[in-house]
Amino acid sequence: DAMVIQNPRYQVTQFGKPVTLSCSQTLNHNVMYWYQQKSSQAPKLLFHYYDKDFNNEADTPDNFQSRRPNTSFCFLDIRSPGLGDAAMYLCATSRDRGGYYEQYFGPGTRLTVT
Amino acid sequence: DAKTTQPPSMDCAEGRAANLPCNHSTISGNEYVYWYRQIHSQGPQYIIHGLKNNETNEMASLIITEDRKSSTLILPHATLRDTAVYYCIPTIQGAQKLVFGQGTRLTINP
Repeated sequence: DAMVIQNPRYQVTQFGKPVTLSCSQTLNHNVMYWYQQKSSQAPKLLFHYYDKDFNNEADTPDNFQSRRPNTSFCFLDIRSPGLGDAAMYLCATSRDRGGYYEQYFGPGTRLTVT
Repeated sequence: DAKTTQPPSMDCAEGRAANLPCNHSTISGNEYVYWYRQIHSQGPQYIIHGLKNNETNEMASLIITEDRKSSTLILPHATLRDTAVYYCIPTIQGAQKLVFGQGTRLTINP
């Protein structure tokens, strides 16, 4: 089945130690997204790629970076994780379906910062 | 994007229809209404969307009022697996992004 895959599902990192989360997709969608979801809150968009064009949300901290080396893969880099960055990180994909974008989400990576 | 108001929580008996309301009184003419849900410990899942006509698919029905200021998502025969947070998200036509509000936590009771 076509899908959005996130690895790892659980990640533990130390305060200040860089960490990278991975997302891959077999849907061949040209848009990929990263969301942050803290406990009991709604998902919050960090940034997204439209093809190779990177679109950063205005309130996304500089500590968060992303790379998309090809259509299938997208990475979220957290340069110096703080305790406040502990959250579920969701990757999603979509494509233009005639004026609307239906997003497909992965299962998420739960990040713990110690 | 239009602001939305959804009840924080709702309960429904298994087998009954679950009707989830959403108020989006500031919606503009080119904004679709999308509904997503998020089952515990999973990523959100697309359910349905509409512009001004009522829509139905295998998961749900979407009823949009004539003035487009509110909508109702209907799960016709709710099951325990429908327990989730349901998000109503107005989004401009052609926009790639979603802005999630707080949603409604729907609990289906046996």
